[in-house]
Amino acid sequence: GENVEQHPSTLSVQEGDSAVIKCTYSDSASNYFPWYKQELGKGPQLIIDIRSNVGEKKDQRIAVTLNKTAKHFSLHITETQPEDSAVYFCAASDGNNRLAFGKGNQVVVIP
Amino acid sequence: DAMVIQNPRYQVTQFGKPVTLSCSQTLNHNVMYWYQQKSSQAPKLLFHYYDKDFNNEADTPDNFQSRRPNTSFCFLDIRSPGLGDAAMYLCATSRGVWQGASPLHFGNGTRLTVT
Repeated sequence: GENVEQHPSTLSVQEGDSAVIKCTYSDSASNYFPWYKQELGKGPQLIIDIRSNVGEKKDQRIAVTLNKTAKHFSLHITETQPEDSAVYFCAASDGNNRLAFGKGNQVVVIP
Repeated sequence: DAMVIQNPRYQVTQFGKPVTLSCSQTLNHNVMYWYQQKSSQAPKLLFHYYDKDFNNEADTPDNFQSRRPNTSFCFLDIRSPGLGDAAMYLCATSRGVWQGASPLHFGNGTRLTVT
């Protein structure tokens, strides 16, 4: 089955700086890659996703890039704010109902 | 706002005492999922319903059962909770099974403590 790995496990950034989280996946058949943000005491919320026919997608301060050859995809957060502090999960799906989640990254934005 | 609601937010049960967690949704989604999330780990899928069709994950213990009496509600029953079942339980919905077409919408979870 699909195996998704996230790096680094914890990331601290100064407010206003950029944060980048990278995920690798194992199954070349995976074609959908969402990112979820989980704040303390809440369920994960989808913040951005990308499909395998696209190399990059951007939504305001958030962007995701996909490199199918290398089997990795990254989340980029620019101009970080304190409310960006959360755990971020990447995931991969081959089109079936199962999402393989990474273990999550704790992002801490230091004011 | 359409949403996924889980009750209660916190549940304490005794070792071996059956417990039921509930989930309701106003999204009218076909698919409802139950995930188990332990501290600092990714959510782990336990099972899902596509309409009334139940789909169990191969490694979900028999101790975990689920019911979906109608489109809006889904329940997670833990028949004999053990200490290892203490976790956050997340309910999620989607319009279809292909995540690329219909992403997961999660509730805020029920944190289960087993004493």
